[in-house]
Amino acid sequence: ETGVTQSPTHLIKTRGQQVTLRCSSQSGHNTVSWYQQALGQGPQFIFQYYREEENGRGNFPPRFSGLQFPNYSSELNVNALELDDSALYLCASSPAVSSYEQYFGPGTRLTVT
Amino acid sequence: LAKTTQPISMDSYEGQEVNITCSHNNIATNDYITWYQQFPSQGPRFIIQGYKTKVTNEVASLFIPADRKSSTLSLPRVSLSDTAVYYCLVVFSSGSARQLTFGSGTQLTVLP
Repeated sequence: ETGVTQSPTHLIKTRGQQVTLRCSSQSGHNTVSWYQQALGQGPQFIFQYYREEENGRGNFPPRFSGLQFPNYSSELNVNALELDDSALYLCASSPAVSSYEQYFGPGTRLTVT
Repeated sequence: LAKTTQPISMDSYEGQEVNITCSHNNIATNDYITWYQQFPSQGPRFIIQGYKTKVTNEVASLFIPADRKSSTLSLPRVSLSDTAVYYCLVVFSSGSARQLTFGSGTQLTVLP
């Protein structure tokens, strides 16, 4: 059984650019959530996708957007990058939308300069 | 206002029982309360989840009072490898909007 994978591992972007982060969910999991974790802080919920539809969203501006594909993999897109977007971006999958037994990937470290 | 509160840090000795409490007002009535463990440079790892009263698995117990305004993670007989940050995760809802909210985290340090 393959766990949650994320790509890329690290990324450096310039302010104003756009970035796409990718996540492959664990086999059989239909729900994917994305989190932003700044250094020394807890993960902040960005949004959740269930069966290709957004199922919940945190306090993030519209320039944070996402997609979930029929195979339940997912993308996080961030437009007009700001310096404060520098963080670890975590993807988590779960077997059901009603369960918070989430399995996290290793994350993508994004640095915005 | 959706808010969770956890102690910033706790120290314990090997073999002791550790209890970490998370306070969370006005959480969604129909969602689980979940706890995670996180080591440096890794994603959080699921420990346990519950809805009410007490839940126990092979690594921890979770106590949730009837009013669900707090939850307590209990780790029996901790070891050095339990040194990590522990987070509660709750759900706040407003209408149809759902926000999964991690607590601020508790750094547990287990001493020999």
